Amino acid sequence: DSGVTQTPKHLITATGQRVTLRCSPRSGDLSVYWYQQSLDQGLQFLIQYYNGEERAKGNILERFSAQQFPDLHSELNLSSLELGDSALYFCASSVDVNYGYTFGSGTRLTVV
Amino acid sequence: GQQVMQIPQYQHVQEGEDFTTYCNSSTTLSNIQWYKQRPGGHPVFLIQLVKSGEVKKQKRLTFQFGEAKKNSSLHITATQTTDVGTYFCAGATTSGTYKYIFGTGTRLKVLA
Repeated sequence: DSGVTQTPKHLITATGQRVTLRCSPRSGDLSVYWYQQSLDQGLQFLIQYYNGEERAKGNILERFSAQQFPDLHSELNLSSLELGDSALYFCASSVDVNYGYTFGSGTRLTVV
Repeated sequence: GQQVMQIPQYQHVQEGEDFTTYCNSSTTLSNIQWYKQRPGGHPVFLIQLVKSGEVKKQKRLTFQFGEAKKNSSLHITATQTTDVGTYFCAGATTSGTYKYIFGTGTRLKVLA
């Protein structure tokens, strides 16, 4: 157990639907990051939050949004889902930007 | 935008052979991190390099940061079957927002 909790572990949904992925960072970590990993691909940076505020954005689609709540947990919302959104979505946390990331086990999203 | 490439993409080695993966950035990095992702698992932080020309060792693993801070390498001596996985470098720049861009990864397979 890395200390970063992601739920759900698996999600199967239909095209056009909307889903919410949840992440609880490791205790004491203020930064949360979201990454997308498609089959056999690298990790695409989506977005970063620090202590409730958005810090950096990557190649995140307009259909996707995220937020970090006062208790530091974060949610990634994916809407109008397409087949190509099927991927493993990782959340990671760190004390601050210049520290190693601790990754959660990921949420495997399958869009059918 | 910033790109981080890794070579080779795949590497098969016989157990006991050495292995090296190289990471190259299109821009100068402030620091670089290395992660290992076992098959079916999540990335696990290995190490962070900050200084130009820095070399760090972890048992059979040797990490190096280039003098120009645009490239890095990970060398594994006498590979074991437990080394199987994908190795990612992640580079951070301080231009604009501070975030880590992950490399494309090198998938290592060790044949017993």
